[in-house]
Amino acid sequence: AQTVTQSQPEMSVQEAETVTLSCTYDTSESNYYLFWYKQPPSRQMILVIRQEAYKQQNATENRFSVNFQKAAKSFSLKISDSQLGDTAMYFCAFIYTGNQFYFGTGTSLTVIP
Amino acid sequence: DTGVSQDPRHKITKRGQNVTFRCDPISEHNRLYWYRQTLGQGPEFLTYFQNEAQLEKSRLLSDRFSAERPKGSFSTLEIQRTEQGDSAMYLCASSSSLAGGHLSTDTQYFGPGTRLTVL
Repeated sequence: AQTVTQSQPEMSVQEAETVTLSCTYDTSESNYYLFWYKQPPSRQMILVIRQEAYKQQNATENRFSVNFQKAAKSFSLKISDSQLGDTAMYFCAFIYTGNQFYFGTGTSLTVIP
Repeated sequence: DTGVSQDPRHKITKRGQNVTFRCDPISEHNRLYWYRQTLGQGPEFLTYFQNEAQLEKSRLLSDRFSAERPKGSFSTLEIQRTEQGDSAMYLCASSSSLAGGHLSTDTQYFGPGTRLTVL
């Protein structure tokens, strides 16, 4: 079975600082994809960043980057220069060729002015 | 607004009643997904369509649940004989796939969800 674990239910960070959200997953698959989604309060969920497991290079999208450690089955999200608009629930998600998405339980991030 | 829309936004029903939700994807998107999200949990995948074909169903989708996408555009999710455990947010998402592309290549655009409360 595939599982996604986010061990930090809540986190906070000062505006302009850097924060890292952790995610671990468990799978026996070798070909899969990982995602971070953001769900602002009372708003739709949106994709932040994705990573293909076969790529060794960590994905980066502006202020968002990941640290993908395949052997450790770890996929953390780093947010640099945190902004007030980054306040949201962040979900780590996983898909393999079985065509089903698996989401973690989420981390609630609060950016403090 | 050309985003994903869902109707209704909120639904309160009594146990045992049937409910139906509608999702209108972004018009050019051929893939459509349904998820369920309970308080304090991440979304749980229920099913997905490519055009009008339902290609994947989760074990979570019991016999009381049925989803359709008859013309490859909007989709409906029906829950029969609702139970209190069905109370949740039901999310819809859509994406546009390249021909033969894997799901992972798609960016899913989520709707605002339908919050179901079963009394």
